[in-house]
Amino acid sequence: DVKVTQSSRYLVKRTGEKVFLECVQDMDHENMFWYRQDPGLGLRLIYFSYDVKMKEKGDIPEGYSVSREKKERFSLILESASTNQTSMYLCASRSGTGWSSNQPQHFGDGTRLSIL
Amino acid sequence: AQSVTQLGSHVSVSEGALVLLRCNYSSSVPPYLFWYVQYPNQGLQLLLKYTTGATLVKGINGFEAEFKKSETSFHLTKPSAHMSDAAEYFCAVSDPRGSQGNLIFGKGTKLSVKP
Repeated sequence: DVKVTQSSRYLVKRTGEKVFLECVQDMDHENMFWYRQDPGLGLRLIYFSYDVKMKEKGDIPEGYSVSREKKERFSLILESASTNQTSMYLCASRSGTGWSSNQPQHFGDGTRLSIL
Repeated sequence: AQSVTQLGSHVSVSEGALVLLRCNYSSSVPPYLFWYVQYPNQGLQLLLKYTTGATLVKGINGFEAEFKKSETSFHLTKPSAHMSDAAEYFCAVSDPRGSQGNLIFGKGTKLSVKP
């Protein structure tokens, strides 16, 4: 079974802090994704990566950056946290090369982040 | 651009009753289609997927979905609801042409199961 592990289930940070969310997958997947999930809005894609050191903006990249130095690890960075970034953050990975794939994405358990 | 519409943000059924969760997509070509389930405080778990072939797809936990091209639909059903089915369900599509390359999710449907 694919295992996607997010480093924290719950995190509380202060406004203006730099926040790191870590995600590790154990299936040698090429593609990794970061989403945020908010009630009534579903999942929105922040960034994704289809290879080491490669990244692409998703639908809502403002205020975020990412890092993928190793294939198994994909980090989401909040450069200067703000209260409107309080949310559930979900990481996912998927096998397959190329833009599209009929393979499913596999999700971690999420990090519930509160910015005070 | 593709989009996904899930009719009904909340659905409530009695234990033992039929579960029907609706999903319609807009796309100029038949997409790849997925249903995910999310239990409280957990990530999303794949229920089933349709890529090609048989249009009736069976998934885990007794769920199935039928791809209907003429109706651009991929509704999720289960003949008899169980209390443990209470969760949020997400329909998602992916463009096989790869122009977007990623999953587009519906806004989700919360399923409640009454005893």
